[in-house]
Amino acid sequence: EAQVTQNPRYLITVTGKKLTVTCSQNMNHEYMSWYRQDPGLGLRQIYYSMNVEVTDKGDVPEGYKVSRKEKRNFPLILESPSPNQTSLYFCASRAGQPNTGELFFGEGSRLTVL
Amino acid sequence: AQSVTQLGSHVSVSEGALVLLRCNYSSSVPPYLFWYVQYPNQGLQLLLKYTSAATLVKGINGFEAEFKKSETSFHLTKPSAHMSDAAEYFCAVTGSGGSYIPTFGRGTSLIVHP
Repeated sequence: EAQVTQNPRYLITVTGKKLTVTCSQNMNHEYMSWYRQDPGLGLRQIYYSMNVEVTDKGDVPEGYKVSRKEKRNFPLILESPSPNQTSLYFCASRAGQPNTGELFFGEGSRLTVL
Repeated sequence: AQSVTQLGSHVSVSEGALVLLRCNYSSSVPPYLFWYVQYPNQGLQLLLKYTSAATLVKGINGFEAEFKKSETSFHLTKPSAHMSDAAEYFCAVTGSGGSYIPTFGRGTSLIVHP
């Protein structure tokens, strides 16, 4: 089954404690992206990757890091989480061509930073 | 540059009534337009997409949307709302001229009353 898998689905942590949210897709997609969803603000892009070893900032990259060492994986790293990073996070992927194709989303990771 | 505006953060309808969710876009190149749906505690999934083949696009679950270039709109409709349609709906645009990063609207929450 084609899917995007995120882990963990739920996480409560404390300020400053490094954490990683993993994302893996099994569709051989070139493009992957991270979003955060906050009430009233919709989806905002954090980082995206056009292919292995190619990453770029989205609209709200501050406080986040990513890496793309393998095509299937695109982890989101919070080096020193702060309460304003409490949010619902989504990973998404898409085939590289055509670049007008649909995005496939994971089920989301709800993060609470105390 | 591209942008999406969804009019109304919440839309409330009675079961059986017409559903109309509004989306206006701006794009400097011919756009590709998408509607995604997010059911509670789930990720987003594609409802329908416009890719210039036909201006009236039919999607899943009885939804359809019409691309109107003169109005820069891509409104989502369904003739008769069902309780199971209650969800968050997102409109998104991707430029066809090489801008491959989709831009999302802020979302519209559809509430269906019995």
